[in-house]
Amino acid sequence: AQTVTQSQPEMSVQEAETVTLSCTYDTSESDYYLFWYKQPPSRQMILVIRQEAYKQQNATENRFSVNFQKAAKSFSLKISDSQLGDAAMYFCAYKGTGNQFYFGTGTSLTVIP
Amino acid sequence: GAVVSQHPSRVICKSGTSVKIECRSLDFQATTMFWYRQFPKQSLMLMATSNEGSKATYEQGVEKDKFLINHASLTLSTLTVTSAHPEDSSFYICSASRGQWDTEAFFGQGTRLTVV
Repeated sequence: AQTVTQSQPEMSVQEAETVTLSCTYDTSESDYYLFWYKQPPSRQMILVIRQEAYKQQNATENRFSVNFQKAAKSFSLKISDSQLGDAAMYFCAYKGTGNQFYFGTGTSLTVIP
Repeated sequence: GAVVSQHPSRVICKSGTSVKIECRSLDFQATTMFWYRQFPKQSLMLMATSNEGSKATYEQGVEKDKFLINHASLTLSTLTVTSAHPEDSSFYICSASRGQWDTEAFFGQGTRLTVV
């Protein structure tokens, strides 16, 4: 089975600063998708950003961008100009050719005013 | 589009009773629905995968007779926790997929189950 590893259980960032959350994964598939989901205190899972493995260009969504290194199987999330509303649990996720999503253990992000 | 509604959001039940949680796709047909369990400050643990019209596939270690899953239509899957015990107290989340080609998971709001 595929594994997704998030090595940072907790991170903090000053408001308006930039923070990077790390994620690595293990797979033998060549075609797959990677995701970052945000889970605020409401517990609703919210898609932040998605990356298709066949695309070399890193995905970007406003203040959120990824650094996708396919050979290294690394998929980090950069949050620029951090806002108080960014405080949440962030989960890295993998989806291959099957239906199933594989989630990392999560990183709790605190934004300091 | 692609909204998933989970109900109830919170439920408290007595030990030994059963409780049903519903997961509905409101504006699309979900051929597959997933049920997760999440402990505090932990990741989502996949419990089972349900496909419309067929038996659910349970992950190793998940009791089929305790966690009954029914996916009777393309828009509704239910999880019934039977003979609930306090250790079943947890946060349960469903997600729905439009098909194997679907590249996104659509999540319900989750259900906090407390067994007293």
